[in-house]
Amino acid sequence: EIVMTQSPATLSVSPGERATLSCRASQSVSSNLAWYQQKPGQAPRLLIYGASTRATGIPARFSGSGSGTEFTLTISSLQSEDFAVYYCQQYNNWRITFGQGTRLEIK
Amino acid sequence: QVQLQESGPGLVKPSETLSLTCTVSGGSISSYYWSWIRQPAGKGLEWIGRIYTSGSTNYNPSLKSRVTMSVDTSKNQFSLKLSSVTAADTAVYYCAREGFIGVEYWGQGTLVTVSS
Repeated sequence: EIVMTQSPATLSVSPGERATLSCRASQSVSSNLAWYQQKPGQAPRLLIYGASTRATGIPARFSGSGSGTEFTLTISSLQSEDFAVYYCQQYNNWRITFGQGTRLEIK
Repeated sequence: QVQLQESGPGLVKPSETLSLTCTVSGGSISSYYWSWIRQPAGKGLEWIGRIYTSGSTNYNPSLKSRVTMSVDTSKNQFSLKLSSVTAADTAVYYCAREGFIGVEYWGQGTLVTVSS
């Protein structure tokens, strides 16, 4: 099983500022890494795939980077609607696995 | 736009079998991977398994002995059965479509509570 570890568990940022979320894989997943946003009471939404490609309709303020075992999701200027929980997920292995999530909260 | 909708009992007794169905609309179920993912309250996401429209399956080894998935292409539906449930199986269950870019489409989720 590939273990995905996200940090920090909670991130407090002010609106308009930049947020940087990290995700580490226990072994290389190449660029087969996705990021999801989940708001309370909703299903997760695909934001980024291939480590750095924005999904359809995702604003340009969301960007992803990394490969191998270290990945980053950056939100360049936080909007009120961006405060949510973010999950990374690897799909390099047939048994897909998710990180435990980072809660992005308003500072 | 592809849409998925879970259906099934919201309450299951311990030791019984949880059964859910996902109905796919807005596109064909054929030639895709269809998955079940669950999320206990306040916790993270756990992949349960996937089924291809040919019927081939992959299950999470931690649940494999209790999981059965099936697909009915004539109804654009796929299903999950989880046997011998306990309180630890209480969660929101999502059906989803997996692609080569991750999980592209999700159902809204359905809460299943295991309790007598």
